[in-house]
Amino acid sequence: SFELSQPSSVSVSPGQTAKITCSGDVLAQKYVRWFQQKPGQAPILLIYKDTERPSGIPDRFSGSTSGTTVTLTISGAQVDDEADYYCYSAFDTYRVFGGGTKLTVL
Amino acid sequence: QLAESGGALVQPGGSLELSCAASGFSFIESDIHWVRQASGKGLEWVGRIRTRAKGYATASAESVRGRFMISRDDSKNTAFLIMNSVKMDDTALYYCHSAPDDGVDIWGQGTLVTVSS
Repeated sequence: SFELSQPSSVSVSPGQTAKITCSGDVLAQKYVRWFQQKPGQAPILLIYKDTERPSGIPDRFSGSTSGTTVTLTISGAQVDDEADYYCYSAFDTYRVFGGGTKLTVL
Repeated sequence: QLAESGGALVQPGGSLELSCAASGFSFIESDIHWVRQASGKGLEWVGRIRTRAKGYATASAESVRGRFMISRDDSKNTAFLIMNSVKMDDTALYYCHSAPDDGVDIWGQGTLVTVSS
């Protein structure tokens, strides 16, 4: 099995930059997707292939990668960005989510 | 769009079949995944089924392997999660999910499975 590690929580003030990391040995070879999930809602794709943003996602959401760690950066965080964030990747035939990071913006 | 159905209250050791109906994209060309989320917990990948072109290959998480099966009926644009020998730990909201193209990502709203006596 393989695992993706995320911090359980990140807190920033409105307008600040939030960074959420995702670490795992497999990430040196595999792409990561990032999802945002708000209470009572299905996840929404924010980033795919480590750094690509789907249409409709604001450009203040960005992804970067370095070795076995990928980072989701939210520039100018807004109160509406409060949510759980998950990284997601593949290994062989399997998929795994990181444990999730609760972002607080206050 | 994806729409799950079939969630219910089921006793430990029992069985249940969930359905995932697709519309608006090329279902036959898309892998389908099942993901679950226990109340207040994170997302957990359950398994997936590939397309006919990929031999309908399936894979599943270790936590459900040997108990859960995934199938699909391309003529009905529907995928299924067949849950056997369910445990209380299987209690969760079950989503189906597909990523038919880069940057295209589709989730249903989930169907609730409760395992309890």
